[in-house]
Amino acid sequence: AQRVTQPEKLLSVFKGAPVELKCNYSYSGSPELFWYVQYSRQRLQLLLRHISRESIKGFTADLNKGETSFHLKKPFAQEEDSAMYYCALRGGAGNMLTFGGGTRLMVKP
Amino acid sequence: ETGVTQSPTHLIKTRGQQVTLRCSSQSGHNTVSWYQQALGQGPQFIFQYYREEENGRGNFPPRFSGLQFPNYSSELNVNALELDDSALYLCASSLGTGNQPQHFGDGTRLSIL
Repeated sequence: AQRVTQPEKLLSVFKGAPVELKCNYSYSGSPELFWYVQYSRQRLQLLLRHISRESIKGFTADLNKGETSFHLKKPFAQEEDSAMYYCALRGGAGNMLTFGGGTRLMVKP
Repeated sequence: ETGVTQSPTHLIKTRGQQVTLRCSSQSGHNTVSWYQQALGQGPQFIFQYYREEENGRGNFPPRFSGLQFPNYSSELNVNALELDDSALYLCASSLGTGNQPQHFGDGTRLSIL
């Protein structure tokens, strides 16, 4: 069975500090990993996907198959980055998304 | 471009009742997936519809059922409601069942008394 784990429910950093939101997964096939973000009073939206290998809003994430991880990183956090972040894996029936429990990022001024 | 819309936004039901939630997919999208998000948890996959057929199902009992219409809109039906069915129900649409990203609606908040 596939599983996504986000070990931190809450991550609090000061503006300008580096950020790393952790994501670990288990999946028997070749995984496709995503990060979704939900800002206050907004809908869940795609932040980035590993196959694109792009940087969105300064965030990057590298798939590490050896460590089965897909951590989200940003070198300098901004207050507007405060949001709920979900790591997700696509695979299985209906190309379903399996989500982690989410990490709330709070960036303090 | 019209995004994913869900109705109603909030709903209150009692145990044993039945409920129907509705979703209009983003224009051009032919695939709809439904997710249940309990408080403090990530979304959980219920099922997916592609071209009016169920295309995959998560670990939910048969009292959770769905439909997709020719215009690709979709319904989620839940019979014999239980207290644990209280959650945010999210609909997501995409183009096809391959590697296109899923776009989410705002969800329907269902409360069971």
